Amino acid sequence: DQQVKQNSPSLSVQEGRISILNCDYTNSMFDYFLWYKKYPAEGPTFLISISSIKDKNEDGRFTVFLNKSAKHLSLHIVPSQPGDSAVYFCAASALDGYALNFGKGTSLLVTP
Amino acid sequence: SAVISQKPSRDICQRGTSLTIQCQVDSQVTMMFWYRQQPGQSLTLIATANQGSEATYESGFVIDKFPISRPNLTFSTLTVSNMSPEDSSIYLCSVGTVLSYEQYFGPGTRLTVT
Repeated sequence: DQQVKQNSPSLSVQEGRISILNCDYTNSMFDYFLWYKKYPAEGPTFLISISSIKDKNEDGRFTVFLNKSAKHLSLHIVPSQPGDSAVYFCAASALDGYALNFGKGTSLLVTP
Repeated sequence: SAVISQKPSRDICQRGTSLTIQCQVDSQVTMMFWYRQQPGQSLTLIATANQGSEATYESGFVIDKFPISRPNLTFSTLTVSNMSPEDSSIYLCSVGTVLSYEQYFGPGTRLTVT
C-alpha cells in the first residue's frame, strides 16, 4: 500500500510565480521527510528535507512545510524558473530504519 | 556529495536471462541501497547492500531473484535473475550514511525485458 501519496500527477506554473507541490502520508512512524527532483534520464537529486520536530525548513527558493497533525507536507518554490521543470518526489523515513518511502511524483512544468 | 555511476545505463534483455548492474561510488560510503521504479510508479526499495555480509531485503523481494554483492565500501552489484517483462523498470542505487537520512542516487539503469 502507498504510504506516501502525491495526488497531483502534474502541475503547470508560470515563470516567476509560486509552485506548490503537495504530499500526504499515512504512517505516523515517519519522522523525516525529503524532497527529490528528477530530470529525464537522471537519478533523483536531493533537494530539501525536514525533521518531524520542525514545521518549516527553508533553503533559498525552496521551502518545505510540515503539518504533522494533518500528515501533510508541501514544497514551495518561489520564484519558479523554467529550470525547475522536473518530476518532484516526496519521500519519508521512519526512525527505525533508513528505507525511503517515495510518492509517485509530481511533474512540474514552469512556462516562460 | 558522492559521485555515483551505474553500468549499464540501459539494456534490452530477453525473457529468462539475467543482468548484473554495477554501482560505483567515488568515495567510501557506509550504506548502499538498491531501488526499483516500475513504469508510472514510485521508487521502491529492493534491499540494503551491506559490506561484508548478506544484503537485507524488503518485503516482496528475495535473494534468489535479486542477488546483491557488496565487496567493498565503494562498489555493489545487483543481478536481476530469470527476467520477465514485469522486471522492466529503472533500477537505481543510492548511498547514505548512518548520520543522516539523506540518500544520493546514481543515474539509474533502464531495463527492458522482451
